[in-house]
Amino acid sequence: NAGVMQNPRHLVRRRGQEARLRCSPMKGHSHVYWYRQLPEEGLKFMVYLQKENIIDESGMPKERFSAEFPKEGPSILRIQQVVRGDSAAYFCASSFQKFRDRGNTEAFFGQGTRLTVV
Amino acid sequence: AQKITQTQPGMFVQEKEAVTLDCTYDTSDPSYGLFWYKQPSSGEMIFLIYQGSYDQQNATEGRYSLNFQKARKSANLVISASQLGDSAMYFCAMREANDYKLSFGAGTTVTVRA
Repeated sequence: NAGVMQNPRHLVRRRGQEARLRCSPMKGHSHVYWYRQLPEEGLKFMVYLQKENIIDESGMPKERFSAEFPKEGPSILRIQQVVRGDSAAYFCASSFQKFRDRGNTEAFFGQGTRLTVV
Repeated sequence: AQKITQTQPGMFVQEKEAVTLDCTYDTSDPSYGLFWYKQPSSGEMIFLIYQGSYDQQNATEGRYSLNFQKARKSANLVISASQLGDSAMYFCAMREANDYKLSFGAGTTVTVRA
């Protein structure tokens, strides 16, 4: 959905550099979810944030990865000291409220950021 | 344990014909939602269709329909009257009640031939 904006669309980093991926949720959405898609695989959940809070980071690697969603501005997924295995597409999704089982429960995804580590 | 299984890595279909993409899921939660997404070569994730576990009827959205067989835990996507623009990767996903994580299958690549 065009409403969730991710930038950059493509990011190339050398091993050891830092990568910063941005996600601006749809207007009025205060819940953001990050997913990673490795080549030839489906998306895997990484982290769920609400404004200024990390709710669930169970899918995040323990080291080098961090995420934030400040009161003002986009959500940021930060990867420090990138390695080749971090090369993937990173997607974020947003919602107005915590997902419910019924009703209009589609997840609105951004277009993704494709990170390539060289 | 794998929650979503898509057993067809790739499929070919003739233009204007229908194609069925298989998806089975595993959950002990009686309340859940099932989703299908399309990912074209450009990479974005496009939501196609949603089925709730308590929905009595199979979901339909234009040329997309979901063949929901609850007892078999399957949620196959049917694309009718295939078009060249349907060539893409298709993902089945599930979210259990009161959860926010979507669990995705590995995907099925569909190639529509003229």
